[in-house]
Amino acid sequence: EVQLVESGGGLVQPGGSLRLSCAASGFTFSSYEMNWVRQAPGKGLEWISYISNSGDIIYYADSVKGRFTISRDNAKNSLYLQMNSLRAEDTAVYYCAVTGGYYYKDAFDIWGQGTMVTVSS
Amino acid sequence: DIQMTQSPSSLSASVGDRVTITCRASQSIVSYLHWYQQKPGKAPKLLIYAASSLQSGVPSRFSGSGSGTDFTLTISSLQPEDFATYYCQQTYNTPRTFGQGTKVEIK
Repeated sequence: EVQLVESGGGLVQPGGSLRLSCAASGFTFSSYEMNWVRQAPGKGLEWISYISNSGDIIYYADSVKGRFTISRDNAKNSLYLQMNSLRAEDTAVYYCAVTGGYYYKDAFDIWGQGTMVTVSS
Repeated sequence: DIQMTQSPSSLSASVGDRVTITCRASQSIVSYLHWYQQKPGKAPKLLIYAASSLQSGVPSRFSGSGSGTDFTLTISSLQPEDFATYYCQQTYNTPRTFGQGTKVEIK
């Protein structure tokens, strides 16, 4: 079964750090580009970061650039998001999602269940 | 950045109704437009990719059309399980922007 499972969310104080993980199974993880998408409570979806299948191309949304770092370990079938200098506005459910590739015109065809990050004192 | 604008933001409809949601991009995105369905507490689910291609396993009552800047998601006969929020997304360039969402509610 194709699956993405996020972990690492929780409650953190403003200015703090958190590392999210996304464990992939059921597909050849190293062949696919990956993304992080977040959703603040009651709000819409916000793409925040992309990483190529080999990890050599990375993009960030302006809202997290310089604070968040995306990475991957293809040997462990895992995607990560290191979040530093967290702010209240980073409070959201964080999803990892697979880029479906050329045929899908890069649609996000597989999503994890999400992990909640709450930034509050 | 490419802005994606959906309309309406919400709608009320009855089971069996035909429902149309539109999405407009601030510049041409060719057919790099996708539609997702999200139910409360759940992850988004891909419905339509590349403007008009139905994702595997998605019922045929869902369809998409459009190219360039104007796109449409149509549900031909609304079913109880279709009450959800729908998002469009462009992947023509980065950032991969989403529309603000359209909440489909029971009338």
